[in-house]
Amino acid sequence: EMQLVESGGGLVQPGGSLRLSCAATGFTFSSYWMNWVRQAPGKGLEWVANIKEDGSEKYYVDSVKGRFTISRDNAKNSLYLQMNSLRVEDTAVYYCTRIHSGVSWGDAFDVWGQATMVTVSS
Amino acid sequence: DIQMTQSPSSLSASVGDRVTITCRASQSLRTYLNWYQRKPGKAPKLLIYAVSTLQSGVPSRFSGSGSGTEFTLTISSLQPEDFATYHCQQSNTIPYTFGQGTKLEIK
Repeated sequence: EMQLVESGGGLVQPGGSLRLSCAATGFTFSSYWMNWVRQAPGKGLEWVANIKEDGSEKYYVDSVKGRFTISRDNAKNSLYLQMNSLRVEDTAVYYCTRIHSGVSWGDAFDVWGQATMVTVSS
Repeated sequence: DIQMTQSPSSLSASVGDRVTITCRASQSLRTYLNWYQRKPGKAPKLLIYAVSTLQSGVPSRFSGSGSGTEFTLTISSLQPEDFATYHCQQSNTIPYTFGQGTKLEIK
């Protein structure tokens, strides 16, 4: 069974840092682009960042550029999100998702983790 | 950024009804349009990818159509488990963006 399990969320003060992790099982992790997607309380879904299969390309939503870094370790089947200079508006549940790439797949997010909660508050 | 606008934002319907949700994009998306179902406390679930292809395991009462900038999700006969929030999402251009969601409620 394909599974993604996030960890590392918690309560942090504004300006602080957190590192989220996502452990993948049940599929060949190194063959897929991966994403982080978040949902703030009472709001919709927001794509945060993604990373190519080999880690050579990374993209971010403007609101986190320069503060968040996505990375992966294919030997450990793991995805990470280093979050620095956290702001109150970064408070959200964060999902790790797999991208099924290609025109015929519409680059859909076909596997989702259960999420980890990040709360930024003083 | 590509803006995704769903309508309606909420919808009240009964079991057995046929419902249609519309998603409009600010730019053409080719086939990079996907639909997700979200229930409280659970991870979103991919329903339809590349405009009209049903994800494995999703009931055939769900269907998707459209092209260019206008797309629809149709549920042919609502079941109790379908009451949830539905989001469209574009992967045509980074940053990927989602519609604001359509909350489907029981009448």
